[in-house]
Amino acid sequence: QKEVEQNSGPLSVPEGAIASLNCTYSDRVSQSFFWYRQYSGKSPELIMSIYSNGDKEDGRFTAQLNKASQYVSLLIRDSQPSDSATYLCAVRGNTPLVFGKGTRLSVIA
Amino acid sequence: SQTIHQWPATLVQPVGSPLSLECTVEGTSNPNLYWYRQAAGRGLQLLFYSVGIGQISSEVPQNLSASRPQDRQFILSSKKLLLSDSGFYLCAWRPGQGQGTFGSGTRLTVV
Repeated sequence: QKEVEQNSGPLSVPEGAIASLNCTYSDRVSQSFFWYRQYSGKSPELIMSIYSNGDKEDGRFTAQLNKASQYVSLLIRDSQPSDSATYLCAVRGNTPLVFGKGTRLSVIA
Repeated sequence: SQTIHQWPATLVQPVGSPLSLECTVEGTSNPNLYWYRQAAGRGLQLLFYSVGIGQISSEVPQNLSASRPQDRQFILSSKKLLLSDSGFYLCAWRPGQGQGTFGSGTRLTVV
């Protein structure tokens, strides 16, 4: 059973701070890693993808991947109240995308 | 650009009633399509995926079935709903691949 684990939260950070979201996965052959943002009652939207070890930056978002530790993270710099949402980690190897249960982030103004 | 249409947005159905949820895709041909369910307190669970007309792969044994009658149409069905079928149902086109995306979802409540 391929698993993707996330802390369910809620993770509360003050406005302007860095939010750090973490994810571990069980399948060592996983090749592609994704972070989705899901607002309450809405469908997930892709915000970051990462395929190789290291960091990938896109605006205020940085994804970090460590395949040896089977760990992927998402950093959100200068957090805004509009970043308050559930963040889903997803992993794909030889099978369709597997999602974690998500971490609920609350940015306090 | 590709667009996924999913309806209805919300649905309240009694236990034992049938279900039909429809998903259609615009802007692409021969799309890989997926049905996910998100139950309260649980993650997105892959239910079915299809790589073409009449081709359905089931990921989880359950009270549901799927069909792909046309290239851009993917249908999720049940003959008799259970309380445990309640959840947020999402259709997706190649999630995690390029510009893959999710539909807007159907909130199903079985009462």
